[in-house]
Amino acid sequence: EAGVTQFPSHSVIEKGQTVTLRCDPISGHDNLYWYRRVMGKEIKFLLHFVKESKQDESGMPNNRFLAERTGGTYSTLKVQPAELEDSGVYFCASSQDPTDGYTFGSGTRLTVV
Amino acid sequence: RKEVEQDPGPFNVPEGATVAFNCTYSNSASQSFFWYRQDCRKEPKLLMSVYSSGNEDGRFTAQLNRASQYISLLIRDSKLSDSATYLCVVNRGGFQKLVFGTGTRLLVSP
Repeated sequence: EAGVTQFPSHSVIEKGQTVTLRCDPISGHDNLYWYRRVMGKEIKFLLHFVKESKQDESGMPNNRFLAERTGGTYSTLKVQPAELEDSGVYFCASSQDPTDGYTFGSGTRLTVV
Repeated sequence: RKEVEQDPGPFNVPEGATVAFNCTYSNSASQSFFWYRQDCRKEPKLLMSVYSSGNEDGRFTAQLNRASQYISLLIRDSKLSDSATYLCVVNRGGFQKLVFGTGTRLLVSP
């Protein structure tokens, strides 16, 4: 079984540019989550999809962040325009039953310079 | 105050030692509890779920005390490969989002 796949693994962009991160969850997992770890801080929740619907987006920092999951399969997280404080590691996770824990992707390391 | 608190460590132990980590959580409505392991520059990986009755998986034992709102992880007979950061993670239940502690770093030396 393929795991959660994230692309790209690394991205370095300039402040003000746009970046789009992609996540392919485990096939059949309805629940898809985005989390972020900023340097020196704990991993924090961004948002949760159930199929194509946003179940909870309370963790999204501001309206520069836009997440989509068209068709309920893969998801994208776009940051536009990027700011220096957006630097960090963005993890995607998926699950079928959240009470059993999630499977995380290897993350996208975003650096905004 | 953080919702999930952990001692950041590092815990430096020799091979074969027994080491215990504790974690406290503040939201009494929390329903599911986990320990995740994270290696340097890697993703978190589920180590084990934590149940009120306690559970064991080989050298690892996890305990949950709902009354005191703390979770523990015991590692027996430590191996070099156990060196990692151990994340205490709580699920708020109805909202289904995980809340992470900052992690406890373990270094096992020969």
